Amino acid sequence: AQKITQTQPGMFVQEKEAVTLDCTYDTSDQSYGLFWYKQPSSGEMIFLIYQGSYDEQNATEGRYSLNFQKARKSANLVISASQLGDSAMYFCAMRGGGSNYKLTFGKGTLLTVNP
Amino acid sequence: EAQVTQNPRYLITVTGKKLTVTCSQNMNHEYMSWYRQDPGLGLRQIYYSMNVEVTDKGDVPEGYKVSRKEKRNFPLILESPSPNQTSLYFCASGDRNRQPQHFGDGTRLSIL
Repeated sequence: AQKITQTQPGMFVQEKEAVTLDCTYDTSDQSYGLFWYKQPSSGEMIFLIYQGSYDEQNATEGRYSLNFQKARKSANLVISASQLGDSAMYFCAMRGGGSNYKLTFGKGTLLTVNP
Repeated sequence: EAQVTQNPRYLITVTGKKLTVTCSQNMNHEYMSWYRQDPGLGLRQIYYSMNVEVTDKGDVPEGYKVSRKEKRNFPLILESPSPNQTSLYFCASGDRNRQPQHFGDGTRLSIL
């Protein structure tokens, strides 16, 4: 079974500062994918960044980067230069290597960016 | 623009009245899936489809049906909705390999 743990129910950050959202995972699969999604209060689920288990480089997408530490089974999201619009719920998710490409989600971290 | 489109975005209906939530993607993805999101329970998979005419149950399939007659469409059918199906529903699509799974904007269903 796969499991995603996000230990920070809520985080606060000042505008323009960087913030790290924690995510640890557990799986017995050798091949898997790790995702981060943003869910604003309006409800949609917005894909941010993806890291494959065999990718050697950490993924980056604009202000988002994923700090992937395979041995520690962690996949932390780093948001640089936070903006007010970054205030949202953030979910870490994993897709295993089985025949069902189901995403297993963490419980989420509510990020609030203060002006 | 790559999109997963769900309709309707919001629906309030009554117990027992059949409804369909449509999902369409324009990325030629083989894989499509439905999730529901509930407070305290997170996101759970309802059904998935690996390709046309290939569907299978996820973790919470009871009370739902799906079909995949065309690659781009994957409707979710509630034959006899009940109040415990009140939820936020998401359709997702993805490539089998490395590409991430894209979500639609969600459908808020309230069943009275």
